[in-house]
Amino acid sequence: TQLLEQSPQFLSIQEGENLTVYCNSSSVFSSLQWYRQEPGEGPVLLVTVVTGGEVKKLKRLTFQFGDARKDSSLHITAAQPGDTGLYLCAGANQGGSEKLVFGKGTKLTVNP
Amino acid sequence: GAVVSQHPSWVICKSGTSVKIECRSLDFQATTMFWYRQFPKQSLMLMATSNEGSKATYEQGVEKDKFLINHASLTLSTLTVTSAHPEDSSFYICSVQLATDTQYFGPGTRLTVL
Repeated sequence: TQLLEQSPQFLSIQEGENLTVYCNSSSVFSSLQWYRQEPGEGPVLLVTVVTGGEVKKLKRLTFQFGDARKDSSLHITAAQPGDTGLYLCAGANQGGSEKLVFGKGTKLTVNP
Repeated sequence: GAVVSQHPSWVICKSGTSVKIECRSLDFQATTMFWYRQFPKQSLMLMATSNEGSKATYEQGVEKDKFLINHASLTLSTLTVTSAHPEDSSFYICSVQLATDTQYFGPGTRLTVL
């Protein structure tokens, strides 16, 4: 069974601070997605990373896929209150199954 | 991406009744849709994979007769919670998958069973 360990589980920071969220596994994934979810809404896709070592930037968010495609990180620079939400990583099974394996999520609160 | 809608967005029902939740792919023909449930402050738990024109594939521990899934067209999948009980109260979310493994999610349906 493939598992994705996300850390930290909770994070509360002040506006303007930087933070990093980690997503780790002992398994290899063909791709990995990051989502943000706000209360009462469905997850919204932020990025998909496919290639080992890949780095993608989305404004103040930087996503990295590990060289071995077993782990990923999300770094937010100068966090803003609007970044508050539940961040979920999800890995696509290299065995060809369409199902995604989800991490347990990181609840981020950015205080003004 | 894909635009996904769900209806209703929230529903309250009495214990013992059945509730149907619709998931529509508005701009993409989806042969496969997924149904998840999410408890407060927890991650998503996959319930089943909905396949157009065939039977759904359920995850271990999910009762097929309780959570009926119908995927009759490429744009619509329905989840019916039969004989609902308070423990079925949850946030139900559907998703569609594009060719690149990426899933796009609906806005979710909040079910409360009294």
